[in-house]
Amino acid sequence: EDKVVQSPLSLVVHEGDTVTLNCSYEVTNFRSLLWYKQEKKAPTFLFMLTSSGIEKKSGRLSSILDKKELFSILNITATQTGDSAIYLCAGVGEYGNKLVFGAGTILRVKS
Amino acid sequence: ETGVTQSPTHLIKTRGQQVTLRCSSQSGHNTVSWYQQALGQGPQFIFQYYREEENGRGNFPPRFSGLQFPNYSSELNVNALELDDSALYLCASSLYVGADTQYFGPGTRLTVL
Repeated sequence: EDKVVQSPLSLVVHEGDTVTLNCSYEVTNFRSLLWYKQEKKAPTFLFMLTSSGIEKKSGRLSSILDKKELFSILNITATQTGDSAIYLCAGVGEYGNKLVFGAGTILRVKS
Repeated sequence: ETGVTQSPTHLIKTRGQQVTLRCSSQSGHNTVSWYQQALGQGPQFIFQYYREEENGRGNFPPRFSGLQFPNYSSELNVNALELDDSALYLCASSLYVGADTQYFGPGTRLTVL
């Protein structure tokens, strides 16, 4: 059965800190890994990763995929209180019709 | 461009009742997926609809059923509600069937008493 595990489950940091969120996956016929940010209800799309070693960046957020070791990391530099949210990663298999999510990492940024 | 919308926002039902949740896909998207997110967990895939037919289903019983309409909007129906059905129900749309990226709506919070 496909599985995605995220760590840590939660963390608290101060504004300006850098955080690294981890995501390991076991997805049959793996195609891609997605990161989402969930603040209140709707998960909002951050990144899609398909190739190993190629970093995706958007402002202070960046993410990279390691297909050999089956994991991805999401980095957030110079954190702000607005980064407080649940960060979800999801694996996509061969048919692309379902996302297999991890339980999420709850990030709280204190001012 | 209109994003994914869902209705209602909140719903309270009692055990044994039936519920219908609605979703309008993002403009130009023809594929809709439904997820259940229990408190403290990640979303769990229920099923996906494309061209008004089910295109994949997760590990949910048959009392969870769905529809997709010609305008790509969708409904999730749950019969014989159980307490464990209390969750946030998320709808997501994608540009085409097989597209990896799915865009989520704000969800419907269902409470079963």
